[in-house]
Amino acid sequence: SQQGEEDPQALSIQEGENATMNCSYKTSINNLQWYRQNSGRGLVHLILIRSNEREKHSGRLRVTLDTSKKSSSLLITASRAADTASYFCATVSRGGGYNKLIFGAGTRLAVHP
Amino acid sequence: DTAVSQTPKYLVTQMGNDKSIKCEQNLGHDTMYWYKQDSKKFLKIMFSYNNKELIINETVPNRFSPKSPDKAHLNLHINSLELGDSAVYFCASSQTSGANTGELFFGEGSRLTVL
Repeated sequence: SQQGEEDPQALSIQEGENATMNCSYKTSINNLQWYRQNSGRGLVHLILIRSNEREKHSGRLRVTLDTSKKSSSLLITASRAADTASYFCATVSRGGGYNKLIFGAGTRLAVHP
Repeated sequence: DTAVSQTPKYLVTQMGNDKSIKCEQNLGHDTMYWYKQDSKKFLKIMFSYNNKELIINETVPNRFSPKSPDKAHLNLHINSLELGDSAVYFCASSQTSGANTGELFFGEGSRLTVL
């Protein structure tokens, strides 16, 4: 079953604007990860945030995590046309045994020059 | 020096045929995965191996059979292909697994089209 769900499903903005994508999940997690996928390519890891962390930065990316609301957001500041891609959140569920990294359905971001 | 490489990149075949996709990683990771991405971009885990041992086996038809000859390779064989098998199949690897699963490194995908 799907663990993470991204919102919105699609986002269209102009270069220079900020893009915010949200992810909600259902069960307790150990960590939450964001990935990017360019059209026709494999997924590329962006950021991992642990359940005891609230915010993380990497370049123009800022990720927040609110475990009480079971949600995370990915903010891309000063977007560029090259940021056009699909963005996925993925969660590793807490529990015994071999847990899985489960992906949401993704947000398709289009950045227009 | 591609980290995770999978072949072929494109595969077009007829219903009922048998096909294989191969994957190799040179990252020294112990854990490898197969994910299936459907036409709506939804990614679903199929299998995972840790050091040649099957650790995740999702509800996948038994026409799909993974094989890991060593920890750097994970192949996927599909028997009696059906139209619904058309998708992009991604191989991935990670340093850690289970509850501590960290960053996954993905291959470029193998697009399977069943006619």
